[in-house]
Amino acid sequence: LAKTTQPISMDSYEGQEVNITCSHNNIATNDYITWYQQFPSQGPRFIIQGYKTKVTNEVASLFIPADRKSSTLSLPRVSLSDTAVYYCLVGDMRNNNAGNMLTFGGGTRLMVKP
Amino acid sequence: DAGVTQSPTHLIKTRGQQVTLRCSPKSGHDTVSWYQQALGQGPQFIFQYYEEEERQRGNFPDRFSGHQFPNYSSELNVNALLLGDSALYLCASRIFRDRKQPQHFGDGTRLSIL
Repeated sequence: LAKTTQPISMDSYEGQEVNITCSHNNIATNDYITWYQQFPSQGPRFIIQGYKTKVTNEVASLFIPADRKSSTLSLPRVSLSDTAVYYCLVGDMRNNNAGNMLTFGGGTRLMVKP
Repeated sequence: DAGVTQSPTHLIKTRGQQVTLRCSPKSGHDTVSWYQQALGQGPQFIFQYYEEEERQRGNFPDRFSGHQFPNYSSELNVNALLLGDSALYLCASRIFRDRKQPQHFGDGTRLSIL
């Protein structure tokens, strides 16, 4: 599985857009990029998944450049409740083995301040 | 529609004891994975069960074992507990052959070893 590198922590303020970048230089052709969010004492929650270009849903956008060696999770107009740890995962999530055995790194601790 | 449920939420044991943690997957899901999350770290994959068999295993000793029942619920057993087993234990479920859907996590069991 491709190794990912993301910032350990980030600070932001309410109402700002937050962009968290993840590096995955060894991403394989069949790998997808998936982001999870985790609040203290809760399990990770799926945010978004993509393969290339841009994916958008009701909570976030995911930008993936053509070489796919990095990706950026964009959270528009964050609020205090977005304070959490954000994990970037890379793997062939549509492969039954990889999709059931997720490999988490250390994640990015986002602190949103008033 | 109930999500993944785990019990108990908290548990305190002493070294050398044995513990059993329980998980009910999200309705309609048939595969269960277990993860260990130490404080300040990302979740680490323990093993995955499908059709009542262990299908994949991470780098965990044989003291960690599991079971899946015909109703798809699952148990994680840990024998000869060590101080280092203190962690949040997460259960995640998925439909094994639905490759488009991500894993859904429960909120975990916090295990403390004294």
